[in-house]
Parts: sequence; structure tokens; C-alpha cells
Amino acid sequence: GAVVSQHPSRVICKSGTSVKIECRSLDFQATTMFWYRQFPKQSLMLMATSNEGSKATYEQGVEKDKFLINHASLTLSTLTVTSAHPEDSSFYICSARGLGRGGEQFFGPGTRLTVL
Amino acid sequence: ILNVEQSPQSLHVQEGDSTNFTCSFPSSNFYALHWYRWETAKSPEALFVMTLNGDEKKKGRISATLNTKEGYSYLYIKGSQPEDSATYLCAHHSSGGSYIPTFGRGTSLIVHP
Repeated sequence: GAVVSQHPSRVICKSGTSVKIECRSLDFQATTMFWYRQFPKQSLMLMATSNEGSKATYEQGVEKDKFLINHASLTLSTLTVTSAHPEDSSFYICSARGLGRGGEQFFGPGTRLTVL
Repeated sequence: ILNVEQSPQSLHVQEGDSTNFTCSFPSSNFYALHWYRWETAKSPEALFVMTLNGDEKKKGRISATLNTKEGYSYLYIKGSQPEDSATYLCAHHSSGGSYIPTFGRGTSLIVHP
């Protein structure tokens, strides 16, 4: 199957700093990328959907100024958590989907963010 | 059913046991259902993409069925092995929108040797 990488896998930062997470599709062109957040013992919660070259679509309740998403190319999307606070500590995971709206998604390995 | 629900939440079985779990989803505007296996410290891996009512898919000892009219899918594992231990996620895609999937909470399976 297709491979999606995510970097970094783990990050610890101080409150008030910004953290950037990269999601790359390594062997296919990802027309759509999804960013999820997972709280302990909860399902994957979709934060936003990004299509290459256009603005991301954020889910209700997700602050777009807080979670900046950029999908500048068909192989790279970034999520920047701005002015991070301890409540932003979570597991963030991206997925990428090629052509075909009902197609399967290929997931990155996720990023564990801890804000002190 | 308004959301995607998976049951049971967790499951412990002995090596060699067969097991199954359920994904329930809204039956209206169905487009597709995906099953994923998510092993600890790895990326979720797609198992099946199911689109037609009555679909049955099989991959080795794992199989899945789909009933779109009543809104459920079953995942079966025959002769469970310790390496089957993982969280199994289902994701429901509805039509008429942007085809964004809704995930269930997953079923955590632990197979004891």
C-alpha cells in the first residue's frame, strides 16, 4: 500500500510555543489530506480536511487560527499548533487520500504532542 | 443510529479462538465502509473497503460482511493469533457531501498466547 510519513513522531514543548507537524505522501499524490486528533480512549476526531492548493476546511469547534494547515503540494501538508497550551497535548495523526472520493485513506504514524 | 458505533470496546481472547465485532452506522446515504487495523506504534492499515449491500470480503483469516440496509458490518477473525492484537477501526462514508469518513472508537483486540 501507499506510504505516508509524519514528522516528528513525538514532541515536547513549552506552553506558548508553536509546533509544526509534517505529513508526507511518499509514493503517491495526495489530493486530499486529513488531520485527526485522538484523545485517550476516544475515536479519531477529524480536525480539518485540506485539498492541495486550497484553504483547509475545518470541522466545527476547531479554531483555524490555532491550528494552521497548509497543503502546498500534492505530497506535503503541515499542521502548525500555534501558541500551544497544555490542553493541546494530544495525539495528532494525518491521512492522505488519492483520487476517488470514497477511496481508502493512508495514515501516517502520528505525532504525540506534549505541552508543558 | 446517528453516529458510527463499534462494539465491543475491547476484547480479550485466547490464541486459536475465533471472534467477531460490530460496526454500526447510519443506513441512509451510504457510500462506503472501511475497516482498518491499528497496531500499537504503527499507522492504521486499511483492511477492507466495502461498498455494496451484502458484500463479503476476506483476507487470510479475517473477513467482513456488510448490511447497508440495517446499517452494520461485522469483522470476523478465525483462529486468532497474538499478532492479530490491535485496534480495529471502521470508518463510514456517506454520500451527498464531501465523502469525509466518520470513524468509530474502535475495538481493541488482545489475543493471549
